[in-house]
Amino acid sequence: RKEVEQDPGPFNVPEGATVAFNCTYSNSASQSFFWYRQDCRKEPKLLMSVYSSGNEDGRFTAQLNRASQYISLLIRDSKLSDSATYLCVVNMGTNAGKSTFGDGTTLTVKP
Amino acid sequence: DGGITQSPKYLFRKEGQNVTLSCEQNLNHDAMYWYRQDPGQGLRLIYYSQIVNDFQKGDIAEGYSVSREKKESFPLTVTSAQKNPTAFYLCASSMQQGYTEAFFGQGTRLTVV
Repeated sequence: RKEVEQDPGPFNVPEGATVAFNCTYSNSASQSFFWYRQDCRKEPKLLMSVYSSGNEDGRFTAQLNRASQYISLLIRDSKLSDSATYLCVVNMGTNAGKSTFGDGTTLTVKP
Repeated sequence: DGGITQSPKYLFRKEGQNVTLSCEQNLNHDAMYWYRQDPGQGLRLIYYSQIVNDFQKGDIAEGYSVSREKKESFPLTVTSAQKNPTAFYLCASSMQQGYTEAFFGQGTRLTVV
């Protein structure tokens, strides 16, 4: 089993739709969590951090469920420009080693 | 502007040659990382470094080498021992290894010809 798992998709949705991605992680000692966005043939860029209390940035909402060991990303009112691959990242904490990236979920928003 | 810079953007290598990919950051970050990404795949960790003069192997270190002589620099050498080096290579840095968010360079696309 992978340390971090994402549904690869692809998710094909119409403009204006609401779409949600989940990401599960296996290590209960994981400390911090992030969502990144990666456009085709580009580097990943930080989208948002994920906190236990949840956080929202415009149309994007991220949630963390420690009990069930997953994080989620909700995108409301999808735009064409949201088309990308979304990567979740799980960190074990300082000095404990590396960040672990999920393989990504591909989203295509269609007119 | 603060950031992380990779060079070159595109690199072509003949089989049997070693090549070195550059990664420089002026974010004053302690931790630096090298990832490899193959088409349609996720990121795989090659090497990471928490502090100067120290680095650790990641999941796919075979055929690669790194150095961390300066805080700002973390070059990656792809050696002839790497059997399938054609890939997209991404360098990243973060303030604290394994805790804070990482920021990426624009990547180097390596092709073996």
